Amino acid sequence: GESVGLHLPTLSVQEGDNSIINCAYSNSASDYFIWYKQESGKGPQFIIDIRSNMDKRQGQRVTVLLNKTVKHLSLQIAATQPGDSAVYFCAENPNAGGTSYGKLTFGQGTILTVHP
Amino acid sequence: GAGVSQSPRYKVAKRGQDVALRCDPISGHVSLFWYQQALGQGPEFLTYFQNEAQLDKSGLPSDRFFAERPEGSVSTLKIQRTQQEDSAVYLCASSLGGFRYGYTFGSGTRLTVV
Repeated sequence: GESVGLHLPTLSVQEGDNSIINCAYSNSASDYFIWYKQESGKGPQFIIDIRSNMDKRQGQRVTVLLNKTVKHLSLQIAATQPGDSAVYFCAENPNAGGTSYGKLTFGQGTILTVHP
Repeated sequence: GAGVSQSPRYKVAKRGQDVALRCDPISGHVSLFWYQQALGQGPEFLTYFQNEAQLDKSGLPSDRFFAERPEGSVSTLKIQRTQQEDSAVYLCASSLGGFRYGYTFGSGTRLTVV
């Protein structure tokens, strides 16, 4: 079936480096994407979102890029800090069958480790 | 409350036992979701409530899973005759209503079936 997936299951960086986490999606009907950060023992925490009518969105130290042509999503974290260490998930709203109320399909996740 | 509260935080059940997991959403939040997160995986959708109405239960894996939200606030996810494959973290999330307002996850209940 259609799903959201990640290219890299783990990513290790040095403090101060920039990090890029990638995600591929296969549902062309998806119109909304979110990146979540999940720390051990906690629920997913919203980082940034983007709608399908945009190709780039910036937040504080984070940027999300959307390439609908190749169905690819990325999260860029600038000046990565040890506190950024967590599992990062991309998620999509399939926008199919009236699921625009908020149902999400999550990818597998990437473990980001930031070394001081 | 300030966030979504889930209880218990940890639950160990013997195979065949029934369990009930509780979610207290943020006060006033209309939408409530349950997700199941297996170890090393992303959350998977189970069910959705709008107030007390269960509008989507397509993600419930079997008829052993049942969710309710009788008064449109607190929700309970019940699993009957638990099996080892039910071991996972069960996450609850609530929202004022759809993506426009975003939604907040609780810390989850980790269920281990032995």
